[in-house]
This record gives sequence, structure tokens and C-alpha cells, in this order.
Amino acid sequence: DIVMTQTPLSLSVTPGQPASISCKSSQSLLHSDGKTFLYWYLQRPGQPPQLLIYEVSYRFSGVPERFSGSGSGTDFTLKISRVETEDVGVYYCMQGIQLPKTFGQGTKLEI
Amino acid sequence: EVQLVESGENLVKPGGSLRLSCAASGFTFSDAWMSWVRQAPGKGLEWVGRIGSKSAGGTSDYAAPVKGRFTISRDDSKNTLYLQMSGLKIEDTAVYYCTRDRTALDYWGQGTVVTVSS
Repeated sequence: DIVMTQTPLSLSVTPGQPASISCKSSQSLLHSDGKTFLYWYLQRPGQPPQLLIYEVSYRFSGVPERFSGSGSGTDFTLKISRVETEDVGVYYCMQGIQLPKTFGQGTKLEI
Repeated sequence: EVQLVESGENLVKPGGSLRLSCAASGFTFSDAWMSWVRQAPGKGLEWVGRIGSKSAGGTSDYAAPVKGRFTISRDDSKNTLYLQMSGLKIEDTAVYYCTRDRTALDYWGQGTVVTVSS
């Protein structure tokens, strides 16, 4: 199985400040078709996860522009340009190149 | 609007069986691949398994901890996804989420709680 490792596991940020979360995979997530199957999710307290970013850097429908994703191969980053109070929750990365799909441990963002 | 609605809370004894349902709307369910993901209390997310569309063969795949005990099926006439669980263990206690699987798990239901306890 592909192991996904996130750092840090917790993050305390002042509103208006930036935040960054790293995700490393144990194998390359680059497919032969040129796509990289790395996703980012946010799980707000008491809510199901919601997709933020797909294929490393594409924002899902309705996701604010302050969220951005970058990286390649095995190293990926989620950045929030200016954190807002509604961004509180746990962020997960996930790989979809190989079954079983696997998630990082989660990064808890607090204000 | 895509909606996924799982069945209600469930309590079952170890070794017992349970079937979860997920009613889908707002998209062409018959064309969709679907996955189940679970989350144990206070823990992270764990992919359980997926089923392909009928046109893609309708085959299913499972995570190792549930293989041989869980079965995913679908009824496209009812736009409903199922998760049949048997030989339940205490460690299967979790919130179970139904998701649309487009490689990205792009839409999630609210989840249904499964508690395995004697």
C-alpha cells in the first residue's frame, strides 16, 4: 500500500495569515497518462470530508481561491494564502493512483 | 445538486451482519463508480472499497481488513448503493461514508454510524 505522510499534524494560525501543509507519498503518484492522482480534503468539525483540490492543483467547484495545491511525484503541498475562521478542521491528502486508496493521517488546523 | 444519503445509525453484536444503503440523486448513478470510506471514532479516513459502473463491468475491490467480509453492490433502478457487512468486529465501529468515485472522491454523504458492541 502507498503510505501518505502529512506534516505537521497540527497547526495553529492567526486569521489572515498563511498556512501550509506537506504531504509525501511512499511511491510516485504520476500516472503514465500524465495525471498525478493526489487530492486534498477538508473535514470541518462534525461534517463529512469535502474535496478541495484534485490532481495536485485543480480547485474543486466552489473552493475559494485562497486554497492552492502544488507538487509533483511524491512531494505535495496545500497552501492557504490567508486563513479564515471557516478553514478550521482536519485536512487530509489522499492518493488515487493505486488501490487501496490511502489517506494521510490528517492535519488539524486551529485558529 | 449531487446528494448521497446513507441509512441511519446501527448497533450490532460482534459476529453479526448489517447492510448499509446510500441513496443517490443529482447525477447519473448508473454511470458512476462509487466507494465507501469509514472513519473510526477520533481517527482518520480509511477507504473500504468501491464498485464500478455496470458498463465497466460492475466489479468491486476491497481493502484488506474487510475483504471476504464486506460486499458492495448497487441497484441502478433504485439509484442505491449498498454495503453488506458480515462477521463484524469491534474494530469495524465507525462512521461509514458513501462517496462518488471519479478517482477523486468528489461527493460524500453525511455518513451513517455503525457500532459493533456486545
